[in-house]
Amino acid sequence: QVQLVESGGGVVVQPGGSLRLSCAASGFTFNNHVMHWVRQAPGKGLDWVAFIDYDGNTEYYADSVKGRFTVSRDNSRNTFYLQMNSLRGEDTAVYYCAKDREENYYSYYMDVWGKGTTVTVS
Amino acid sequence: DIQLTQSPSSLPAFVGDRVTITCRASQDISNYLAWYQQKPGKAPKLLIYAASTLQSGVPSRFRGSGSGTEFTLTISSLQPEDFATYSCQQVDSYPLTFGGGTKVEIK
Repeated sequence: QVQLVESGGGVVVQPGGSLRLSCAASGFTFNNHVMHWVRQAPGKGLDWVAFIDYDGNTEYYADSVKGRFTVSRDNSRNTFYLQMNSLRGEDTAVYYCAKDREENYYSYYMDVWGKGTTVTVS
Repeated sequence: DIQLTQSPSSLPAFVGDRVTITCRASQDISNYLAWYQQKPGKAPKLLIYAASTLQSGVPSRFRGSGSGTEFTLTISSLQPEDFATYSCQQVDSYPLTFGGGTKVEIK
């Protein structure tokens, strides 16, 4: 079935440190879909982080992470990534990867989500 | 950035109640709005997209409406599994933004 599995979190990182999250996709044609990262700080609402298009040529970032985070993908491995540098306390959150609903189109609606991976900056 | 304001932030209700949640956008976003349901410790689930289109597999008791700057999510008859937090999301322009969420609680 369609599945997204995040990894790379579950650790405590010092402020200023770096971490790379991965999201492994299965059950759908990965290279036909835009992919997103969304985070949720403890007790807070959802916060869109970044998106990458099908072949990795187009990326967009939230202002809060621009210049510090980089999203990338490896379509041969059905995996996409979030490289997080210069981490701050306010980056502490559960990070979800999510699949765009439409194939070969930018809908920005996220119809499949991973279970999330926790990043703690302290 | 487009701000989304949801009301109420908390909504106590009984099973069987009809509940309505409002999402107001800080500028016209046409119908570029989605609604998500999230239960504690779980990932969000897409319920409605394009303001009023029901995502496949979502029960028909969920209904989305509105356009421009005011949107509503209505649950026609609240079921025990519907107690959760509901969030709206705009996809009209970057950055994509979410509302603060409405927690539907057991009364």
